[in-house]
Amino acid sequence: EAQVTQNPRYLITVTGKKLTVTCSQNMNHEYMSWYRQDPGLGLRQIYYSMNVEVTDKGDVPEGYKVSRKEKRNFPLILESPSPNQTSLYFCASSYGRNTEAFFGQGTRLTVV
Amino acid sequence: RKEVEQDPGPFNVPEGATVAFNCTYSNSASQSFFWYRQDCRKEPKLLMSVYSSGNEDGRFTAQLNRASQYISLLIRDSKLSDSATYLCVVNSYSGGGADGLTFGKGTHLIIQP
Repeated sequence: EAQVTQNPRYLITVTGKKLTVTCSQNMNHEYMSWYRQDPGLGLRQIYYSMNVEVTDKGDVPEGYKVSRKEKRNFPLILESPSPNQTSLYFCASSYGRNTEAFFGQGTRLTVV
Repeated sequence: RKEVEQDPGPFNVPEGATVAFNCTYSNSASQSFFWYRQDCRKEPKLLMSVYSSGNEDGRFTAQLNRASQYISLLIRDSKLSDSATYLCVVNSYSGGGADGLTFGKGTHLIIQP
């Protein structure tokens, strides 16, 4: 089954404790993105990757890091999470930057 | 000017009615257009792509007006299960900031029995 898998689905953590949210796709897509979704602000792109070892900043990259060592995986790293990073996070993948995006089920992160 | 604008609603519509909503986009060079559906706290899922000639999928019809830079979605014979948030999506270009698809904030639709 074609899918994008994110883990964990829910996470509560404390300020400053490094965390990683994993994302994996099995569709051989080259393009992957991370978004955060907040009430009233919609989906905002954090980082994107056009291919292995090629990543770039989206609209709201501050406080986040990503890596793309393999085509299928695109982890999101919060080195020192803060409460303003409490949000619903989605990973997405697609064949290209302008084609249909497939989303993971989301990760609800709470930073206290 | 925001890249993709939608009326947030909510639109409260009786079951069986026809409902339509529009979305405007600012980048005249955009080439890819989509409508996504998002249920509460779930991931967005593609509802339909939007083509220049307009397209229909069952009860759903999407139209694109390039001259006025807007996209519309029409839902006929609405069902309770159509209650969701509908996201208008347009491609953007790299060159600093967001790349790929830009999502509107969504229009919240509530179908009432």
